Parts: sequence; C-alpha cells; structure tokens
Amino acid sequence: EVQLLESGGDLVQPGGSLRLSCAASGFNFSDFVMSWVRHVPGKGLEWVSSINGIGSNTYYADSVKGRFAISRDKSTETLFLQMNSLTVDDTAVYYCARRKGVWSPYSAHWGQGTLVTVSS
Amino acid sequence: AIQLTQSPSSLSAFVGDRVIITCRASQGISTSLAWFQVKPRNPPRLLIYDATTLETGVPSRFSGSGSGAHFTLTIASLKSEDLATYFCQQCDSYPLTFGGGTKVEI
Repeated sequence: EVQLLESGGDLVQPGGSLRLSCAASGFNFSDFVMSWVRHVPGKGLEWVSSINGIGSNTYYADSVKGRFAISRDKSTETLFLQMNSLTVDDTAVYYCARRKGVWSPYSAHWGQGTLVTVSS
Repeated sequence: AIQLTQSPSSLSAFVGDRVIITCRASQGISTSLAWFQVKPRNPPRLLIYDATTLETGVPSRFSGSGSGAHFTLTIASLKSEDLATYFCQQCDSYPLTFGGGTKVEI
C-alpha cells in the first residue's frame, strides 16, 4: 500500500525558512515523479514543485521559483521541500503526491498534508 | 503558463440533480486533464484522468468529457456525500496548473 507521510509544517515568521519532509513507503520510490501541492482551505489548489525519479530534473511554480527547492533521498525514501524567504502567501496545507503510474502525469496518491503558517 | 477557468465557482443543487462543471484551458491540452474532489480536512481525491477515464473506486455517477480546451465534469445524480470543491488540473506541460475550483453545496 502506498503511504505518504508529511512532516515539518510549523508557524514561521515572514522571511523565515522551513523544511518539509515526506516519508514514502509501499512502492519503489526511485521509479516515480514526486510533487508538492498546496491548498489554502476555502481557496484553491496550487501545484508547487515536482522532481523526477532520480532527482536530476526539478520543476517549480513561478510563485516559488528561487525560494523553494525540492529534493529527494533514495536511501531514506524521503521527499523534501526547502522553503526560504517565506511570505504570508505561502500559508497553506502542503501535500506530497505520487503519480498514478510511472508514465502517468496524474497524482493519484496523496499524504494527509502538513500545515505551514507564515505570520508575525 | 496554461490557465484553467472553471465555471461556475459555486453551485447549489438538490440530491438527485445532474451537475455539470466546466473547465476551459487557455490553449489546447489534448486530453491531459484531471478532475479532483476536495473535502474539508482531506487530501485531494483523483476522480477522472485523461479527461474521460474514471479512477479506480470512483462511483460511476462521475464522468468526464472533452478534449482540446473545453472539458466538463458531470455528476449524474448528486448525492449528499458529493458536497465538496472540485478542481480541474492540466498535466500537459509545466508549470502544472489547477482551475479555480467549483464549490458544490447540497
């Protein structure tokens, strides 16, 4: 069974940094593109970033480019999101997601999310 | 970036009603579109992918249609558990983008 468990969400001041983690299990971690998606309750979903299976290709939303960095560790089967220069607009529940299949672009497996609150 | 425009942004319907949600892309994306259901305090749930394919375990009252730049999600006979917000997402090219969402109230 595919399991994704996010952690690292917290209350942080504007301008601060935070590192999110997503522990994966139940599948061959290196085979799948992994993504971060955020949701502001009552508002919309926003794709944040994706990384390919071996970590050589990364993609970012314009809103986080230059501030966030996605990475993955094959040995611990963990996905990361390093978030710097945080603003109040980054407040959201952050989900890690796995694609439906190795060659499918659709995220079918999601963690339960971790809440990031940016506030002074 | 490809923009997705959903309509309506919210709707109120009765149990048993047929509900149709529209998603328009700013450029053609073939059938690289997914629909998600989001309920409070729950992660998104994939309902439809490749514009028309029902995800495993999703009730058959949900269906998707369309290609190119115009897509629809249809709930054939609304149930109370369908109270949620629905989002379309294009997976044609990066940056991936979501529509603004449609809140369905019963």
